[in-house]
Amino acid sequence: AQSVTQPDIHITVSEGASLELRCNYSYGATPYLFWYVQSPGQGLQLLLKYFSGDTLVQGIKGFEAEFKRSQSSFNLRKPSVHWSDAAEYFCAVAGRSGSARQLTFGSGTQLTVLP
Amino acid sequence: DAGVIQSPRHEVTEMGQEVTLRCKPISGHDYLFWYRQTMMRGLELLIYFNNNVPIDDSGMPEDRFSAKMPNASFSTLKIQPSEPRDSAVYFCASTSTGSGNTIYFGEGSWLTVV
Repeated sequence: AQSVTQPDIHITVSEGASLELRCNYSYGATPYLFWYVQSPGQGLQLLLKYFSGDTLVQGIKGFEAEFKRSQSSFNLRKPSVHWSDAAEYFCAVAGRSGSARQLTFGSGTQLTVLP
Repeated sequence: DAGVIQSPRHEVTEMGQEVTLRCKPISGHDYLFWYRQTMMRGLELLIYFNNNVPIDDSGMPEDRFSAKMPNASFSTLKIQPSEPRDSAVYFCASTSTGSGNTIYFGEGSWLTVV
């Protein structure tokens, strides 16, 4: 069964500082990988996704993530955080076959941005 | 294009009442998912459909929950009778093979059972 671990429940950074959110996955083959962001009272917005090819993927809002097969990781990064980035971030994995297309989410990382 | 549309956005109901949540997936998408989000359990898959057929309902918590997809543009999630522990945010999502398995979420239905 696929699973996702986000080891950091809560991260606090200062505005303008760099950010890295960790994500480790467990899956028998190369999965589809995603990062979603959820602002308070809002739905889930897709930040970026990895399907194949270049292991460094660019997303919206200046985010990027790097797929490292050897470490089963898909960490999310941003070089300079803005106050509006405060939200909860979810890493997710999905299988490539029809029967495994559903997303399995990590428990989320809550990001606080200090002025 | 319109995204995944859910209704109602917010609902407060009394224990024992029937609750029906509705979802309109993105046109052309052949997969539809229902997720539930709670503080205790996070985001968990309840059920998903492919071409209107339920594929995996192993996440449906108990018989009080049921989901249907009578056509490609509409799905319902029903809770009968509702209980306070059903209070959660229920998300509908959709995707298609052609969209590269990118799953798009609705804004959620925020359910409170008192």
